[in-house]
Amino acid sequence: KAGVTQTPRYLIKTRGQQVTLSCSPISGHRSVSWYQQTPGQGLQFLFEYFSETQRNKGNFPGRFSGRQFSNSRSEMNVSTLELGDSALYLCASSLERGTSSGNTIYFGEGSWLTVV
Amino acid sequence: AQSVAQPEDQVNVAEGNPLTVKCTYSVSGNPYLFWYVQYPNRGLQFLLKYITGDNLVKGSYGFEAEFNKSQTSFHLKKPSALVSDSALYFCAVRDSRRYGGSQGNLIFGKGTKLSVKP
Repeated sequence: KAGVTQTPRYLIKTRGQQVTLSCSPISGHRSVSWYQQTPGQGLQFLFEYFSETQRNKGNFPGRFSGRQFSNSRSEMNVSTLELGDSALYLCASSLERGTSSGNTIYFGEGSWLTVV
Repeated sequence: AQSVAQPEDQVNVAEGNPLTVKCTYSVSGNPYLFWYVQYPNRGLQFLLKYITGDNLVKGSYGFEAEFNKSQTSFHLKKPSALVSDSALYFCAVRDSRRYGGSQGNLIFGKGTKLSVKP
């Protein structure tokens, strides 16, 4: 069974541009969440989508947004990129929502974003 | 506040020796605890989790973790380290707050770099 798939793996953008990252969850998983990983802040939760609706959101500005499609695939978008947005963006999937405590959350390989 | 602490930035172990990577947590309610490993330039791989039941949890690649409620700890252990175990290890707790926007998702520690020398 394929794992969580993220595209693209690496990308370089210029300040002020916007970027869209894509994630395909494990087959049958309905919850997709996104995390940002940076050396300074570590791993931080961005948001979770379930049944095409954003269910939870971390403490990030409105420039960070996402969506989920009917096949559970998800995209996240960052607009008006800043240098500080350079990070590894990790997508994760689980069978049910994160509030179902027994769920294991499985992560993809991540998308490395560099903002110059 | 819900939090996870990994007190050691780095742990050095000789191959064949036992290893321990420490984790302590602070949550309201029952803790749901996880360990993940990250190899260079890769995503996170799930190792094991504690939800309820036996305090000793066995996971992937020979790793195990011991849940200690009185010490609020969830240390990762392996009886005999391999060079290939060298990686970054993250402890995480599920956010059990009923309100706040991020409930149910993972709060991570800062990570511990494990270095196993031959």
